[in-house]
Amino acid sequence: GENVEQHPSTLSVQEGDSAVIKCTYSDSASNYFPWYKQELGKGPQLIIDIRSNVGEKKDQRIAVTLNKTAKHFSLHITETQPEDSAVYFCAASTHDMRFGAGTRLTVKP
Amino acid sequence: DAGVTQSPTHLIKTRGQQVTLRCSPISGHKSVSWYQQVLGQGPQFIFQYYEKEERGRGNFPDRFSARQFPNYSSELNVNALLLGDSALYLCASSPRAVQETQYFGPGTRLLVL
Repeated sequence: GENVEQHPSTLSVQEGDSAVIKCTYSDSASNYFPWYKQELGKGPQLIIDIRSNVGEKKDQRIAVTLNKTAKHFSLHITETQPEDSAVYFCAASTHDMRFGAGTRLTVKP
Repeated sequence: DAGVTQSPTHLIKTRGQQVTLRCSPISGHKSVSWYQQVLGQGPQFIFQYYEKEERGRGNFPDRFSARQFPNYSSELNVNALLLGDSALYLCASSPRAVQETQYFGPGTRLLVL
C-alpha cells in the first residue's frame, strides 16, 4: 500500500521567514495530495491541495509543488506568522488517504 | 453552514467494553471516512463509506466496524476495547469519493483504562 514519509518532524522559524515541509510517497497511482493544519484539540483543517496533473499551486502565502517523477511534494509557507504555529500533515490518495507523521511548526515572534 | 460534527467529544471506557462513535457529514456530502489518530502520529485510515456501502477498509482488526445511514450520518463501533485503542477518532466527509477534498470534524477523544 501507499507509504508517505514527511520531513522534518519539527521546524522552528523566526516570524517573517519561510518554512518548507517535504513529503515523499511510494504509490505512483496516487493522484491527490492535500495538506492539513492541525491545531491543539482540533481536527485537521485543509489548507491547500494539488492533483497529479498540476506541478504547482499557490494560495496567498502558501504554495505546494509536486514532482511526480521523483514522487515527492512540498509545502512552502512564506512570511510566516505566529498563528501559523501548528502541526502540518501531508497526505497522498489512491483508494484511500495515507498521511505523513506530521511536522510541528513553531514560528517565533 | 455546519461542518462535520462528531459525538461525543470525549469518552472514557475500560478494557473489554464496547464503544459507538457518531458522525454527521456536511450537508450534501455522501461519503464519510473514519480515521484513528494516536498522539504524535498522523491519522490512520479505518473505513470509507459512500452511499451506505463500505468502499474502503484500512488495516484494522474486525473489532472495528462501521455503518452509514440513509441520511449519510455514520457510526463507528469498536468492540473488546484494548488500551491501545486510546486515540482521537476523526470523521471526514466529502461529496463523493476519497480522492476528493475531505473535511474533518473535531474528533472524539477515546481513553481506554
